[in-house]
Amino acid sequence: KAGVTQTPRYLIKTRGQQVTLSCSPISGHRSVSWYQQTPGQGLQFLFEYFSETQRNKGNFPGRFSGRQFSNSRSEMNVSTLELGDSALYLCASSLELGGDTIYFGEGSWLTVV
Amino acid sequence: QQQVKQSPQSLIVQKGGISIINCAYENTAFDYFPWYQQFPGKGPALLIAIRPDVSEKKEGRFTISFNKSAKQFSLHIMDSQPGDSATYFCAASRRITGGGNKLTFGTGTQLKVEL
Repeated sequence: KAGVTQTPRYLIKTRGQQVTLSCSPISGHRSVSWYQQTPGQGLQFLFEYFSETQRNKGNFPGRFSGRQFSNSRSEMNVSTLELGDSALYLCASSLELGGDTIYFGEGSWLTVV
Repeated sequence: QQQVKQSPQSLIVQKGGISIINCAYENTAFDYFPWYQQFPGKGPALLIAIRPDVSEKKEGRFTISFNKSAKQFSLHIMDSQPGDSATYFCAASRRITGGGNKLTFGTGTQLKVEL
């Protein structure tokens, strides 16, 4: 059974640009969450999607957004990139909304220059 | 506000020894406490988890001890092996209105197991 798949794995963007990251959850999983991991702030919750609706949101500015499609795949977008947005962005999936067992992908490494 | 405090930041253990990582939480609404293991270049992988209705859970060489009154929980790795060298994160979560589940992570412990 394939795990959580994230694309692209690595990318470099310039300040002011925008970026879209993609996530395919484990087959059958309907809830997708996104986390940001940085050396300074650690792992922080961005948002959670279920049934194409954002159910929960972390303390991030509105430049961070996401969406979920009918096949449970999800994308997150960061607009007007700042240097501080450089991070590992992790997607996680669980079977249902509020599911305890959360599986992470390998992440997308974003570098903003 | 750091809701989950993890210590130590780094840990060196000899092969065959016991690795102990501690976490403390503040929010009494937390009702699920997982531990994740992360290798360089990989995403966190769920290792073991516990709910506050039990004081201990063991899976192979990994044991979680939970102290509800002290709001603390810890991970014990018995017979530590070089392959256990990784970063370990404790986390806590609570049910959110609307049915979601948001993990709050500790700051991580870099474990190195030496031969």
